[in-house]
Amino acid sequence: EDQVTQSPEALRLQEGESSSLNCSYTVSGLRGLFWYRQDPGKGPEFLFTLYSAGEEKEKERLKATLTKKESFLHITAPKPEDSATYLCAVQDPTQRSGGGADGLTFGKGTHLIIQP
Amino acid sequence: EPEVTQTPSHQVTQMGQEVILRCVPISNHLYFYWYRQILGQKVEFLVSFYNNEISEKSEIFDDQFSVERPDGSNFTLKIRSTKLEDSAMYFCAGGQGVGGYTFGSGTRLTVV
Repeated sequence: EDQVTQSPEALRLQEGESSSLNCSYTVSGLRGLFWYRQDPGKGPEFLFTLYSAGEEKEKERLKATLTKKESFLHITAPKPEDSATYLCAVQDPTQRSGGGADGLTFGKGTHLIIQP
Repeated sequence: EPEVTQTPSHQVTQMGQEVILRCVPISNHLYFYWYRQILGQKVEFLVSFYNNEISEKSEIFDDQFSVERPDGSNFTLKIRSTKLEDSAMYFCAGGQGVGGYTFGSGTRLTVV
């Protein structure tokens, strides 16, 4: 069973058309939930870390929110340059042996296309 | 802005050969990671490294893999005897233990 599920898998929007991407997770000891942006052939680019339910963070046209079971990435009035794959990841120390430098578990991502 | 630098950007190797992927992390990072991403699939954790030793490793990180930080700056991933299924993008990442983790731009490994 996947620990991190992202939906939709792909989303095509018109420029200026706001929407939300979903990330649901099933981990027992969430240390942090991360959002990354990934462009083709590139490494993930850090956007946000959320630590507790109710927390929100914003950056330009993006806003991330967190509940006890899911996170949303809201995109307001997107532009074509926002086109990318958006990745959600969780850090759950209970899934590893507890050594401290816990790796991230990623979802499959949402491929977002913003059409001019 | 500081970057995580990975070399080479693309490496082609024959099955059974050893490869070493190299990373120069950001200088004030304490935690270092290797991830891989097979084409069209999700990013997968391989190993984490802290205080000059492996901290965590996934089931993917078997005896064919090893990591080193030989000189306090470079961070390497070695695959001893490559298989076709090792073909993937390999990402180095680092962080301070809180906040986000910075990823490099990756090495595309192609095993033929």
